[in-house]
Amino acid sequence: DTGVSQDPRHKITKRGQNVTFRCDPISEHNRLYWYRQTLGQGPEFLTYFQNEAQLEKSRLLSDRFSAERPKGSFSTLEIQRTEQGDSAMYLCASSYGQGLDGYTFGSGTRLTVV
Amino acid sequence: QKEVEQNSGPLSVPEGAIASLNCTYSDRGSQSFFWYRQYSGKSPELIMSIYSNGDKEDGRFTAQLNKASQYVSLLIRDSQPSDSATYLCAVKVTGGGNKLTFGTGTQLKVEL
Repeated sequence: DTGVSQDPRHKITKRGQNVTFRCDPISEHNRLYWYRQTLGQGPEFLTYFQNEAQLEKSRLLSDRFSAERPKGSFSTLEIQRTEQGDSAMYLCASSYGQGLDGYTFGSGTRLTVV
Repeated sequence: QKEVEQNSGPLSVPEGAIASLNCTYSDRGSQSFFWYRQYSGKSPELIMSIYSNGDKEDGRFTAQLNKASQYVSLLIRDSQPSDSATYLCAVKVTGGGNKLTFGTGTQLKVEL
């Protein structure tokens, strides 16, 4: 068990470019979550997967955002046509079952859109 | 009204004192409650979970839950400078999907 891994740790991109982040959850965890956190705020829910099925998406997730978990293992979050307002820390978390013991977060990907 | 509310702080306590962090939530259907610690620039780390009314102790940490008052708190005894961080309260609502809803966090500063 090496924890939840996220890649890259930091990403600087120009406005209008597309970016993709990857998350590798804890191997036995079947649920995977994406959150976004801006300075001074708590993490905001974006979406979650149970195995390969995307079961819930936040209204925060505009049509520029898409997430996949093709084989029920790792997940990707893509942001198309990035905007400065997308600058944030993108956090991935995983849990086993319903997460009664809480989620385990990865180290996050810090996105800066210039 | 925000779903999960916390005082943003900073809350300053002297080393060795008890730090008391508070959180209120709006949805009476909330069933599971979590406290996360987040150091600056790092990701949240789970420190406590609580599901039933009353107290739950784990080392220097005690979580307290009062569902009637929709209130959950975290006590940190013998506070240490290494406890200086932001503490996030998170709530899961039964029937609200599987997501955790977080408060904005309370910044704790433990002073020497």
